[in-house]
Formats: sequence, structure tokens, C-alpha cells
Amino acid sequence: AQSVTQLGSHVSVSEGALVLLRCNYSSSVPPYLFWYVQYPNQGLQLLLKYTSAATLVKGINGFEAEFKKSETSFHLTKPSAHMSDAAEYFCAVSVDSSASKIIFGSGTRLSIRP
Amino acid sequence: EADIYQTPRYLVIGTGKKITLECSQTMGHDKMYWYQQDPGMELHLIHYSYGVNSTEKGDLSSESTVSRIRTEHFPLTLESARPSHTSQYLCASSAGGGGILPEQYFGPGTRLTVT
Repeated sequence: AQSVTQLGSHVSVSEGALVLLRCNYSSSVPPYLFWYVQYPNQGLQLLLKYTSAATLVKGINGFEAEFKKSETSFHLTKPSAHMSDAAEYFCAVSVDSSASKIIFGSGTRLSIRP
Repeated sequence: EADIYQTPRYLVIGTGKKITLECSQTMGHDKMYWYQQDPGMELHLIHYSYGVNSTEKGDLSSESTVSRIRTEHFPLTLESARPSHTSQYLCASSAGGGGILPEQYFGPGTRLTVT
């Protein structure tokens, strides 16, 4: 069965600093991987998704993630944090190409210090 | 822009009451989902539907029920609310695969408190 582990329930960085949110997955078959963002009192919004076309995936708002099969990781990065990036971030995995069954990680809350 | 709506956004209700959480989407998506999310925790799939008159239970057992009579509408009902049902409920929808990995679009959620 597939699963997702997000390391660090809370990450705090200074404005302008590198953002790194960690995600490791477990899957017996090649996975489809997602990063979603959730702002306060809102639903989830897709940041980016990995579909095996390219290991480095660029998403919205300047975020990107790199799929590393040898490390079973899909970490999310952004070179320079903005105050507006403060939110909850969820890594998710699906082994279904229709993405009907998605398993979510427990989330990482990103705080940005002025 | 995702067009998926949930009402009410917030609901405080007493134990034993029957409640229905509404979810509607205007994108013509065949697939719809209900997730339960506790604060600081991951989302758990409680119900899904692949089309009209199709409903299935998700990975997390739930006392709620759902119906899918129309493509755009996927309401969730609790016959008798209990404090253990206090949570946030998120509705989502997605298109068919068609060779392109689809994304799930989420509504804003309903925060339910049962007293």
C-alpha cells in the first residue's frame, strides 16, 4: 500500500530565505505525486504534480519539486519565501493514473518570519 | 478557476440532529469525493462517486451517507450527529483521466461542530 510521510509538522523560515518542505513516499509501483497548498479557511489548491514526464516539476507561485526515486522523495522548494506563502502544505500520492484515490500526508505548516 | 461550492461553511449543531452538508460543482466532473480533516491532520477519504447513481465508501469508516442523483451535486448526510463527528469536511471533484493525470479540485470546506 502506498503512503506519504512529511517530515516536520511546522517549518519556519525568514522572508527571502529558501523554503524546503520534505516528503517521502512509499509505493510498490511507480507513483503519481502531488503537492497541495491550503490557506486558512480554504480548500486545497494544487501546486504541482509529478507524472513521470520529468523529475523536476515546476508549479505555481514559484514552487518546484524534484522526484528522486533512489531516495523515494519528492521535496518541495522555493528559492525565496514570501509572506504570502504562509499556509499548510500537503504531499500526496496516487498509484492510479486517474488519481481517484489519493493518499495525503499529515501536512506541514509553513510560517514566514518578517 | 475551480468552481466547487460547499454550504454551510460553518455549522454548530446539537447532538442527535440530522444534518446535510451540500457540495456542488459546475465543471461537469464525473468524479466527486468527500474528505474528513481534523486540525493538523491529513485528509481521509470517506466517500466517493464516479458518476450519477454511483457511490462508494472510502478508506476511513464514516457514519455519514452520500447520494449522487445529479452530476453536479454530492450531498453528505449525518442522520444523528454526535460530538465525534466534529471535524472539517472537504468536498472535491475531478474529471476523467483521458490520458492526462487529472487533479482534484477542492471546495472551501464545512467546519462542523457538534455540541
